[in-house]
Amino acid sequence: AQSVTQPDIHITVSEGASLELRCNYSYGATPYLFWYVQSPGQGLQLLLKYFSGDTLVQGIKGFEAEFKRSQSSFNLRKPSVHWSDAAEYFCAVGPSRAAGNKLTFGGGTRVLVKP
Amino acid sequence: GAVVSQHPSWVICKSGTSVKIECRSLDFQATTMFWYRQFPKQSLMLMATSNEGSKATYEQGVEKDKFLINHASLTLSTLTVTSAHPEDSSFYICSARDLTDLYGYTFGSGTRLTVV
Repeated sequence: AQSVTQPDIHITVSEGASLELRCNYSYGATPYLFWYVQSPGQGLQLLLKYFSGDTLVQGIKGFEAEFKRSQSSFNLRKPSVHWSDAAEYFCAVGPSRAAGNKLTFGGGTRVLVKP
Repeated sequence: GAVVSQHPSWVICKSGTSVKIECRSLDFQATTMFWYRQFPKQSLMLMATSNEGSKATYEQGVEKDKFLINHASLTLSTLTVTSAHPEDSSFYICSARDLTDLYGYTFGSGTRLTVV
């Protein structure tokens, strides 16, 4: 069965500092991986996705993620955080033959940005 | 880009009444739509998957008769919370999968339901 683990529930970072959010997945084949961001009271916005090709994926808002098959990881990074990056971030995997069309989400990481 | 409109964004209803939430894909056709429930400070919990013209597939533990899902067209799915109770109060989010981009999952902005 596919699953996603985001080990960090909360991360606090100073504005201008770098950010890395961890994501580990379990998947039967070549994974389809996603990072979404959710602002309070809002839906989810896609930051980036990966399913083949270059393992370093560029997304919106200056985010990037690197797929590492050997570590079953898909960590999200941003070199310099802005106050507007304070939000909840979700890693997801899917779809698959076993799980069908649905995405499986991690528990999320809440990012707080200090001025 | 792909846009999903979810309406209403918030609703307050009395116990025992029913509430309908709409999810529309505005600029693409959706083969599949998904309904999630999200509790405060938690991840999304998938409630059901619906395909246009067929019955929804509900996740284990989700009451089919309480959460009615209709997917009548390739651009519209509705979730009706029947005989709502305070414990149904939550944030509900829909997602639509693009017919032409099978890895394109677009989310609505969510509906905050409060049952009083």
